[in-house]
Amino acid sequence: QKEVEQDPGPLSVPEGAIVSLNCTYSNSAFQYFMWYRQYSRKGPELLMYTYSSGNKEDGRFTAQVDKSSKYISLFIRDSQPSDSATYLCAMSGAGNTPLVFGKGTRLSVIA
Amino acid sequence: SQTIHQWPATLVQPVGSPLSLECTVEGTSNPNLYWYRQAAGRGLQLLFYSVGIGQISSEVPQNLSASRPQDRQFILSSKKLLLSDSGFYLCAWTTGAGNTIYFGEGSWLTVV
Repeated sequence: QKEVEQDPGPLSVPEGAIVSLNCTYSNSAFQYFMWYRQYSRKGPELLMYTYSSGNKEDGRFTAQVDKSSKYISLFIRDSQPSDSATYLCAMSGAGNTPLVFGKGTRLSVIA
Repeated sequence: SQTIHQWPATLVQPVGSPLSLECTVEGTSNPNLYWYRQAAGRGLQLLFYSVGIGQISSEVPQNLSASRPQDRQFILSSKKLLLSDSGFYLCAWTTGAGNTIYFGEGSWLTVV
């Protein structure tokens, strides 16, 4: 089993839809969870950062972490064509260990 | 504020030629530095990371090497490129465990 699993998509939705992106993981030591957005031919940029379980909201974006199920989600409300990008989940445990990334989900929001 | 610079942005190199990609971070000290490669359909692959000057950890055995000659400088090198080295190379930094990691703009390498 891979440490982090993420459906690669592609996912295509109409403008205004609610988008749900998900990752599952196997390492119970993970406690820091992040979502990155990557536009084509650009470096990933941090979108959301969450420590341990719970929800975090920032504008149209909500990140959820369920450590008991080893499952994290990113919700995008009122999706816009500018949200079209690849979304990568990432997570790490304590100590100086590198982040582990999912493979990314490619999202297209159609106007 | 902290910034990360990576260059060159794009390069086309023949098989067997050497490679040098450079990355510098400004506005912070003693960062953890990383080199990732992103190939189509394979996600981000961690190549090297460094927690200090001269300290390099290799995640994937291959014909690439990394060096950290200064606190905020990280260099990715190869003596002889292979076709399979083509990809998008990303430098990144963080201040430590549990902290967010920030990426450079990336370098597109095509080996022909």
